[in-house]
Amino acid sequence: SAVISQKPSRDICQRGTSLTIQCQVDSQVTMMFWYRQQPGQSLTLIATANQGSEATYESGFVIDKFPISRPNLTFSTLTVSNMSPEDSSIYLCSASDSNPNYGYTFGSGTRLTVV
Amino acid sequence: QKEVEQNSGPLSVPEGAIASLNCTYSDRVSQSFFWYRQYSGKSPELIMSIYSNGDKEDGRFTAQLNKASQYVSLLIRDSQPSDSATYLCAVYAGNNRKLIWGLGTSLAVNP
Repeated sequence: SAVISQKPSRDICQRGTSLTIQCQVDSQVTMMFWYRQQPGQSLTLIATANQGSEATYESGFVIDKFPISRPNLTFSTLTVSNMSPEDSSIYLCSASDSNPNYGYTFGSGTRLTVV
Repeated sequence: QKEVEQNSGPLSVPEGAIASLNCTYSDRVSQSFFWYRQYSGKSPELIMSIYSNGDKEDGRFTAQLNKASQYVSLLIRDSQPSDSATYLCAVYAGNNRKLIWGLGTSLAVNP
């Protein structure tokens, strides 16, 4: 299965600023996903990153707040814009190859704290 | 609203016992089912996937799927303290390849 390198692993940011999280996959993957996970909670899907087209956002998440890029089949970025303390969370990227039965691999996560 | 439900736990078992984790789902057309393990502070790790009715075994782990009853379970035999983690059930929802996640069951294996 694919291996995903995610960075940064953690960051402390000032409110009002933006942070870009990067995920690099060691092989070409068709779908990449961005999740948010609050401590002790399950995963909340932010958006699906599509190569060559705009990301598909879930209810409650908008492109202006969480712009996503997917320039090729091995790379994606998520930007958390105009941050507030409520954006403090763990952000995870995930990828699947062409066969969903193989499951989905996760990056190591980015722990974001907004002060 | 497609849903995946799990008991939040915590489920506590003694070392060496069998841990049984359960998951039910609402979407009858679901195709693939996954169990992920997540240690505190780490990202989820896929441990089992199952596609067909019946049992699938991998080492100490057995996944069981019953599509008629819409449940999937994970059995961990000879539980070890290192199995203490949160176990997330995920269901493949369809062609858009978006997983539907349960809230997870916390497992504690006591030495």
